[in-house]
Amino acid sequence: SAVISQKPSRDICQRGTSLTIQCQVDSQVTMMFWYRQQPGQSLTLIATANQGSEATYESGFVIDKFPISRPNLTFSTLTVSNLSPEDSSIYLCSVADSMNTEAFFGQGTRLTVV
Amino acid sequence: DAKTTQPPSMDCAEGRAANLPCNHSTISGNEYVYWYRQIHSQGPQYIIHGLKNNETNEMASLIITEDRKSSTLILPHATLRDTAVYYCIVRVAISNSGYALNFGKGTSLLVTP
Repeated sequence: SAVISQKPSRDICQRGTSLTIQCQVDSQVTMMFWYRQQPGQSLTLIATANQGSEATYESGFVIDKFPISRPNLTFSTLTVSNLSPEDSSIYLCSVADSMNTEAFFGQGTRLTVV
Repeated sequence: DAKTTQPPSMDCAEGRAANLPCNHSTISGNEYVYWYRQIHSQGPQYIIHGLKNNETNEMASLIITEDRKSSTLILPHATLRDTAVYYCIVRVAISNSGYALNFGKGTSLLVTP
């Protein structure tokens, strides 16, 4: 199984600022995903991070608010821009090696916007 | 997208088998059923997955009905550490080389002493 390191593990940010979350994997993976988990809720897929091209966003999520980078097969970043209290959530990175393998998750980044 | 329906909560006595049901009546022929669990404040943990045959690993067993419209996750000897939210997910292909896991609300399993 892949070992996923997310940084930071938690942060408290002022509204109007941005937070960039890093996801580092210990092996090359084909697919990387970013999820959001709002308080008391299930996980919602934000986007698929594509290596060498723009991320593919799910309905309700836009690049201006959640810009994503994926410079190589082991690393991705998610930025949450122009923060508001409604962005307070846990953000999770997930990776999968191929269509036929399971996805693994990082421990998440707990963001609180004040 | 195929949706899943799970009971919101279940209890199980420690040492007994925990049987967690899931309905996925709109599943397509090439869609897999995945099970994950999330222990409080941690990222989801993969448990098991299957297409149409029953599957077993060191953590659990997955029983899929012949018509594939429902499945059951079995934890054979539940421990207190198995207390978690269990998600039954139908994996959806989003491209020729990618897929997404659409998480529902899951079942909150409480294992009691």
